[in-house]
Amino acid sequence: QKEVEQNSGPLSVPEGAIASLNCTYSDRVSQSFFWYRQYSGKSPELIMSIYSNGDKEDGRFTAQLNKASQYVSLLIRDSQPSDSATYLCAVNFSASKIIFGSGTRLSIRP
Amino acid sequence: GAVVSQHPSRVICKSGTSVKIECRSLDFQATTMFWYRQFPKQSLMLMATSNEGSKATYEQGVEKDKFLINHASLTLSTLTVTSAHPEDSSFYICSANRDEYGYTFGSGTRLTVV
Repeated sequence: QKEVEQNSGPLSVPEGAIASLNCTYSDRVSQSFFWYRQYSGKSPELIMSIYSNGDKEDGRFTAQLNKASQYVSLLIRDSQPSDSATYLCAVNFSASKIIFGSGTRLSIRP
Repeated sequence: GAVVSQHPSRVICKSGTSVKIECRSLDFQATTMFWYRQFPKQSLMLMATSNEGSKATYEQGVEKDKFLINHASLTLSTLTVTSAHPEDSSFYICSANRDEYGYTFGSGTRLTVV
């Protein structure tokens, strides 16, 4: 069974610090990886996608992928209170279907 | 862009009735759409993959006769919850993939069955 694992949190980070979110996945052949942010009662919104090993940066966000370790992470620099949300890791296991992790609740304390 | 519109955003229905949820891709054609369900404080669970012009593919444990999916055009997929019961109350979200934009989600439908 294909699995995507995340620590459910909550992860509490002071404002201005770096928040680090982690995700592991079970299938070595997975090619596409995504990080979504979901506010309570809302649908997920895409933050980052990453397809190859290494780092990918977009503004305050950096996604890191290590396929050998089956590990993908998201770093949020200069954390803001508005970053408080649940962050979902998603992996494309086959064709066009993606599976989500259970999500990590992030809380940025002022 | 890649905009997915979902309606209604919120619906309350009586137990035993059916509810239809629509998912439209507004600025692109989607041969495949995905339906998810999310219970409070849980992650999104894929229910089924909707395929334009053919039968939907359901995930294990999802009753295809209860959750009817129709994908009659390249921009519209519908999910009908038949004979709804209180345990079907959940947040239903559709999604479509547009290559360069990734997977985009509709705004979700909060279903409450009373």
